[in-house]
Amino acid sequence: DAKTTQPPSMDCAEGRAANLPCNHSTISGNEYVYWYRQIHSQGPQYIIHGLKNNETNEMASLIITEDRKSSTLILPHATLRDTAVYYCIVRVFGNQFYFGTGTSLTVIP
Amino acid sequence: GAGVSQTPSNKVTEKGKYVELRCDPISGHTALYWYRQSLGQGPEFLIYFQGTGAADDSGLPNDRFFAVRPEGSVSTLKIQRTERGDSAVYLCASSRGGSAVDEQFFGPGTRLTVL
Repeated sequence: DAKTTQPPSMDCAEGRAANLPCNHSTISGNEYVYWYRQIHSQGPQYIIHGLKNNETNEMASLIITEDRKSSTLILPHATLRDTAVYYCIVRVFGNQFYFGTGTSLTVIP
Repeated sequence: GAGVSQTPSNKVTEKGKYVELRCDPISGHTALYWYRQSLGQGPEFLIYFQGTGAADDSGLPNDRFFAVRPEGSVSTLKIQRTERGDSAVYLCASSRGGSAVDEQFFGPGTRLTVL
């Protein structure tokens, strides 16, 4: 089953781009990459997902490498409210989300 | 519209007791998921419902854990003979369908403390 590897923590200056990497070297061809974030004491919040192509929405951009073994979530202009734990997820067994331990992003004023 | 709601928000119980945790999914969502999150860890999958049936219960840790969704909407997670190791935040999520592209919407969770 595909699992993910993320750095445990990262800092980013307010107003700068935050680039959060994720390795998923065993991902299968039909498995999507999802990103969620969790602000303290809240449930996880959907950010973005993709299969092969790069994706962009109002929150973030998702860059997936051509071999699909890694991806990067980009928050273009980080704010203090973006401080959270960010989870890179691939679907396993059809409908399970495997969250892992995520990256704790701290946006610094 | 209303999101996923979970009750109670906090539950404190004694070792050996029985507890029920409730999840109200977003109206019209056919898929419902339960996760458990321990301190410092990501959410861990427990069970997935498609309609009224449990399509995947492979994440339930043992037979003390059981979940139902009798009418395909509200779900209840039931834990018998609670143990201190069951203390965690229990998260519920729902999605429109059960496909790989359906976004899961999470509730705020129920914090269970077993004394």
